Amino acid sequence: DAGVIQSPRHEVTEMGQEVTLRCKPISGHNSLFWYRQTMMRGLELLIYFNNNVPIDDSGMPEDRFSAKMPNASFSTLKIQPSEPRDSAVYFCASSPQGAGGNTIYFGEGSWLTVV
Amino acid sequence: TQLLEQSPQFLSIQEGENLTVYCNSSSVFSSLQWYRQEPGEGPVLLVTVVTGGEVKKLKRLTFQFGDARKDSSLHITAAQPGDTGLYLCAGKTNSGYALNFGKGTSLLVTP
Repeated sequence: DAGVIQSPRHEVTEMGQEVTLRCKPISGHNSLFWYRQTMMRGLELLIYFNNNVPIDDSGMPEDRFSAKMPNASFSTLKIQPSEPRDSAVYFCASSPQGAGGNTIYFGEGSWLTVV
Repeated sequence: TQLLEQSPQFLSIQEGENLTVYCNSSSVFSSLQWYRQEPGEGPVLLVTVVTGGEVKKLKRLTFQFGDARKDSSLHITAAQPGDTGLYLCAGKTNSGYALNFGKGTSLLVTP
């Protein structure tokens, strides 16, 4: 079975450019999460969707970040404009129901470098 | 502030040694999970513990959830190079929607 699929795997972009990260969750999973991982801060939850509806976006750093989930099989995380401090690994993850005690399945991550 | 504190941050040992890593918090968790992350990949779930005092074993790995459900430990017996990776604990509180992760313990096991 296909796991969580993320694209691109690696992206290098210049400061000020728009970055769009994409995610296809595991079919049948109704919860989707975007996390950001850095050495300094570890894994941080950015936003959590349940049944395509954003439930908790308190982790989104600022207005430059936005996330959408137009349907159950696709989500995007957009950064506009990007800044060097946005450089990190961005993970998408999905879960069959919520996150309490259930397994969260992570994608391989999108490695973003903003120069 | 980090909800979950993991220690040690880094650990380098030789093959065959035993080790324990810790995950501590002042918060009570309804469940706590341990993940392992290898370089270039996403975290993969190892175990979920839900009952205070619970002990689970996964081959050479032993996981314990504290009686008060505020802390957990992971013990590895006779570590092997294949155990190398970042070990992350993650917990969900009764009031939270999603998992909170610690920063992890980076383990290196050398032959």
